[in-house]
Amino acid sequence: RKEVEQDPGPFNVPEGATVAFNCTYSNSASQSFFWYRQDCRKEPKLLMSVYSSGNEDGRFTAQLNRASQYISLLIRDSKLSDSATYLCVVILTSYDKVIFGPGTSLSVIP
Amino acid sequence: DVKVTQSSRYLVKRTGEKVFLECVQDMDHENMFWYRQDPGLGLRLIYFSYDVKMKEKGDIPEGYSVSREKKERFSLILESASTNQTSMYLCASSLGQETYNEQFFGPGTRLTVL
Repeated sequence: RKEVEQDPGPFNVPEGATVAFNCTYSNSASQSFFWYRQDCRKEPKLLMSVYSSGNEDGRFTAQLNRASQYISLLIRDSKLSDSATYLCVVILTSYDKVIFGPGTSLSVIP
Repeated sequence: DVKVTQSSRYLVKRTGEKVFLECVQDMDHENMFWYRQDPGLGLRLIYFSYDVKMKEKGDIPEGYSVSREKKERFSLILESASTNQTSMYLCASSLGQETYNEQFFGPGTRLTVL
């Protein structure tokens, strides 16, 4: 089993839709979690951290479920500019290890 | 504004050539990283460095070496390029000693080995 898994998609959604991605991780010692966004032919950039209590940043909501070992990203009221690949990142602080998921591709269509 | 630059956006080399990929950051970050990104596999860590002249192997160091002589510069070296090293190479940097700090990426170098 891969350490971090994501549904590669692509997710094709109309503007204004709500879309959710999940990311599962295998190591229960994982301690920190993030979502990065990567536009086509561009570098990844931090979108948001994921906190145990869940956190929201505008239209984006990130949640962590430690019991089931997954994190999620919810995007409300999708915009065309949200089209990108979303990378989940898991940190094993004790091992100084940063693990990127393979990414989920989102296309928001007019 | 945070800036990570890489020496080339596109590079074409022949099998057996020695290849140097350069990365420079201007944020005075302690940590620097080299990844390769392949479809379906995501970013895989090749090497990282927490300080000048210090290096640690990542998940896939075979066939690569690195050099960090100055804090701002981290070089990736392919001693003898092979076709399976054709990939997108991304350099990143982050502040401080903690692994959970935000990583800032360069624009990437797309390397093709013929």
